Amino acid sequence: DTAVSQTPKYLVTQMGNDKSIKCEQNLGHDTMYWYKQDSKKFLKIMFSYNNKELIINETVPNRFSPKSPDKAHLNLHINSLELGDSAVYFCASTRDSNSPLHFGNGTRLTVT
Amino acid sequence: AQKITQTQPGMFVQEKEAVTLDCTYDTSDPSYGLFWYKQPSSGEMIFLIYQGSYDQQNATEGRYSLNFQKARKSANLVISASQLGDSAMYFCAMGFSGGYNKLIFGAGTRLAVHP
Repeated sequence: DTAVSQTPKYLVTQMGNDKSIKCEQNLGHDTMYWYKQDSKKFLKIMFSYNNKELIINETVPNRFSPKSPDKAHLNLHINSLELGDSAVYFCASTRDSNSPLHFGNGTRLTVT
Repeated sequence: AQKITQTQPGMFVQEKEAVTLDCTYDTSDPSYGLFWYKQPSSGEMIFLIYQGSYDQQNATEGRYSLNFQKARKSANLVISASQLGDSAMYFCAMGFSGGYNKLIFGAGTRLAVHP
């Protein structure tokens, strides 16, 4: 009974390509996120959506574009992939301001 | 600016002993929440425990407890009776500005439990 699911789990691609990562949550949460975990395990927020509206947009290159077709889905599209984009990308969701984030299992992106 | 600091990159503990993982934070916001997450080698992020800034009691969840010292701005995680399965990365995180909609994470502490 998966709560937050991301696909694909692994993504290997070449520089310059465009790729997407999909995320879905079946918890009924209003807020969803994308986090990036670098090779040193540091986790940094990228985007946050509340009920399909963008509420947090950290200093992320324009090549990254999130899309939320409904409040259960938050996809991440990346254009013109660069080597430095290699990381694990986590989707997460939360019910409200006093509740923890529920994370997906992550997508390991490798750009060659 | 808000900041979370975990000063212990790695910790070792003997099985069945208790271990404390340090976390200090910095914020001028009076309302915030502190969270601990566990990341085993399989990579998933597992929520462990939460402490609100206005909570009077230290949070506890099974073998996990949070030693919250507000004046010192610290929120250390205590794991009692360590088990081999506790070996993992542990992250302290803080949510703030009333919405907790933005969690910032510390750099993490890698815990190794030895038999």
